[in-house]
Amino acid sequence: GDSVTQMEGPVTLSEEAFLTINCTYTATGYPSLFWYVQYPGEGLQLLLKATKADDKGSNKGFEATYRKETTSFHLEKGSVQVSDSAVYFCALSAPGANSKLTFGKGITLSVRP
Amino acid sequence: EAQVTQNPRYLITVTGKKLTVTCSQNMNHEYMSWYRQDPGLGLRQIYYSMNVEVTDKGDVPEGYKVSRKEKRNFPLILESPSPNQTSLYFCASSYGGRDGYTFGSGTRLTVV
Repeated sequence: GDSVTQMEGPVTLSEEAFLTINCTYTATGYPSLFWYVQYPGEGLQLLLKATKADDKGSNKGFEATYRKETTSFHLEKGSVQVSDSAVYFCALSAPGANSKLTFGKGITLSVRP
Repeated sequence: EAQVTQNPRYLITVTGKKLTVTCSQNMNHEYMSWYRQDPGLGLRQIYYSMNVEVTDKGDVPEGYKVSRKEKRNFPLILESPSPNQTSLYFCASSYGGRDGYTFGSGTRLTVV
């Protein structure tokens, strides 16, 4: 079945550091790929998405590129801020899969001043 | 404002006492879904609906019921809650599924 694997956490960075969060997936066909962010005490917010190979999703300084050859969708940001502290989830929605989102387990990012 | 509204935000109940968590969206989305979030397990789909009167089981449907009588509403019903249903629940809606979902703020349920 479909699955998403995220790197183990938590991750702690200093402000202005470079961020990479790895995500790889297994799915049939060509899934859509997403990054969601969950701030403390809140629901999930869609951070960015990509719907086909080589697409780059971007938002709020975050970027991720849909790499079909490596089945990856790594999240990057050049300079993190304290306000980026949150839990980040990688997810996919495969074609013909009742539009279900399959999530990775999430990773907690803490950014210290 | 486009949003998914869940109620209540917090609920403590006793084993066996029926409860309903409401979910409403104002975006005219066809797709709606319920997820539960548990430490170490991430988010798992409970039930989904692709339109009015069309619902089906997700990955962890046991102990839950849903209905979709109107497009905007998708309540989650626990007929006889048990402690293993203690969790954080999210309702979500989408126009086309693969475009991504909008999530509610969550309902933290504790069953004692």
